[in-house]
Amino acid sequence: AQKVTQTQTSISVVEKTTVTMDCVYETRDSSYFLFWYKQTASGEIVFLIRQDSYKKENATVGHYSLNFQKPKSSIGLIITATQIEDSAVYFCAMREGNSAGNKLTFGIGTRVLVRP
Amino acid sequence: GPKVLQIPSHQIIDMGQMVTLNCDPVSNHLYFYWYKQILGQQMEFLVNFYNGKVMEKSKLFKDQFSVERPDGSYFTLKIQPTALEDSAVYFCASSLDRGHNQAPLFGEGTRLSVL
Repeated sequence: AQKVTQTQTSISVVEKTTVTMDCVYETRDSSYFLFWYKQTASGEIVFLIRQDSYKKENATVGHYSLNFQKPKSSIGLIITATQIEDSAVYFCAMREGNSAGNKLTFGIGTRVLVRP
Repeated sequence: GPKVLQIPSHQIIDMGQMVTLNCDPVSNHLYFYWYKQILGQQMEFLVNFYNGKVMEKSKLFKDQFSVERPDGSYFTLKIQPTALEDSAVYFCASSLDRGHNQAPLFGEGTRLSVL
């Protein structure tokens, strides 16, 4: 069964610095897809970035990048030049390649506070 | 950009009553999902739906739950009868096709309070 673990419950950083958050996953599939979403204070859930397991290069979108360490089953999210509006709860999620229903399994989330 | 709309944003009902949560997915999307989030916890998969059928459901998708999308209208989650433990935020999501690399778009959720 697939499982996603985020061990950091909350992180506080100063604006314009870099924040890194961890995520480890468990799967028996050789093919899988990893996603990061953020949930804002209003409850809105926004897709940020994706990593396909067969790709060696770390995905990058805007000021979001991933640290994909496949041997460690780890997919960390890095946010550079943080802004106040990056304050949110960040969820890591995984989808197995042979999932019949395309379901995503989510971690419990990491709350990030970006302060002035 | 395209949005998934959920109606209502908050629903309060008495235990034992029936409730229907409505989702208006992105117009050309074909796959639809419901997730449940209890306050402070992760989102948990309930069910997904394609071509008029349930593709996969979790253990959380109890017998009291049902989903449908009659005639391409709202994608609905019905709970009958409701229980106290059904209190949560229910998120609808949709994706264009079953490509495993596709990130579903989520709605803003319906907060269900069962009293």
